[in-house]
Amino acid sequence: EVQLVESGGGLVQPGGSLRLSCAAAGFTLRTYDMYWVRQVTGKGLEWVSAVGTAGDRYYPGSVRGRFTVSRENAKNSLYLQMDSLRAGDTAVYYCARAVAATHDAFDVWGQGTMVTVSS
Amino acid sequence: SYELTQPPSVSVSPGQTASITCSGNNLGDKYASWYQQKPGQSPVLVIYQDTKRPSGIPERFSGSNSGSTATLTISGTQAMDEADYYCQAWDSSTVVFGGGTRLTVL
Repeated sequence: EVQLVESGGGLVQPGGSLRLSCAAAGFTLRTYDMYWVRQVTGKGLEWVSAVGTAGDRYYPGSVRGRFTVSRENAKNSLYLQMDSLRAGDTAVYYCARAVAATHDAFDVWGQGTMVTVSS
Repeated sequence: SYELTQPPSVSVSPGQTASITCSGNNLGDKYASWYQQKPGQSPVLVIYQDTKRPSGIPERFSGSNSGSTATLTISGTQAMDEADYYCQAWDSSTVVFGGGTRLTVL
């Protein structure tokens, strides 16, 4: 079964760091463009990062310089290193897979992991 | 920065057709995708590349995209279609989501 399982969320103080993990099953993660998307409770979806099959990385301005996306092929996993966290980063974080041979849309999503930034 | 605008809410009677719009500057020149999200669940892709349905998505879901507006159409809407719907597109190496539309099946 194709699935993504996130982990690593939790409570962190403002200015702190957290590393999210996303384990892929049923497919080879390195052959797909992969994404992180977050959602504040009761609000809409917000794109957080993208990594292409060639290793190219993209971020929105709201997290650029603070968040870093990476892959570990041996573990078939995706990561999101989040530094200098702010209260506004509090959200559920989803990893998602792009539709095969495209980067346009995301056809597999994880269940999400909650990140709370608070003192 | 690029923006996608959706109506906050749409209501439809069971069995009728629901249309949810998504507006953005020259959106028709980009690919639009649509996601369905039910409370407490992860988003589900229902339409990608304007008109394509992923495997397992019912035929009553269809999409179009022209000019500045993409439209998700649900024909013969069922109670199970009640959810939040988000449009999404790429612009200048940036992923953009619309604000979401709450579909209520009355």
